[in-house]
Amino acid sequence: TQLLEQSPQFLSIQEGENLTVYCNSSSVFSSLQWYRQEPGEGPVLLVTVVTGGEVKKLKRLTFQFGDARKDSSLHITAAQPGDTGLYLCAGVGAGGTSYGKLTFGQGTILTVHP
Amino acid sequence: SAVISQKPSRDICQRGTSLTIQCQVDSQVTMMFWYRQQPGQSLTLIATANQGSEATYESGFVIDKFPISRPNLTFSTLTVSNMSPEDSSIYLCSVKNAGHSYEQYFGPGTRLTVT
Repeated sequence: TQLLEQSPQFLSIQEGENLTVYCNSSSVFSSLQWYRQEPGEGPVLLVTVVTGGEVKKLKRLTFQFGDARKDSSLHITAAQPGDTGLYLCAGVGAGGTSYGKLTFGQGTILTVHP
Repeated sequence: SAVISQKPSRDICQRGTSLTIQCQVDSQVTMMFWYRQQPGQSLTLIATANQGSEATYESGFVIDKFPISRPNLTFSTLTVSNMSPEDSSIYLCSVKNAGHSYEQYFGPGTRLTVT
């Protein structure tokens, strides 16, 4: 069974601060995705990282995939109240019975105070 | 991206009854999945809905409790049978196309409360 450990579980910060969310596993994934979810809605895909060592930027969000494709991080610069939400990392199964299946981390509830 | 709708958006049901949740996609998709999520927590995969054949269930989930149908490439249903309060959760369907696209898209979810 593939597991993803996501930390921290809760994050409460002031507007303008920086933060990093981590996602770690002992398993290798074909790719790793980050989602953001707001109450009453389904998760919305933010980014997919595929190559070991890959870094992707989405405005103030920076995503990194570990060299061994077992871990990932999400860094938010100068957080804003609009960034508030549940952030989920998800590893994409590489093959066999795991092909295409997502293994989700526990999630990080981020609250950015004005 | 695919647009996914779910019905109902929420329901309150009595113990021992069953509820069928519908998932409709605006385009044909290869793979459809059903997840369960406690509010503010992670998602757990229930099963993969296979078109024209029986669904593939994850460990801890069985067909008698969560029968799934997928009559075509745009529609699926999940039934939560003989409900108990422990079944209170958010149920989400998601879709993915095979091939080089890794993206998976989620419906808005169905919030189920069992009393």
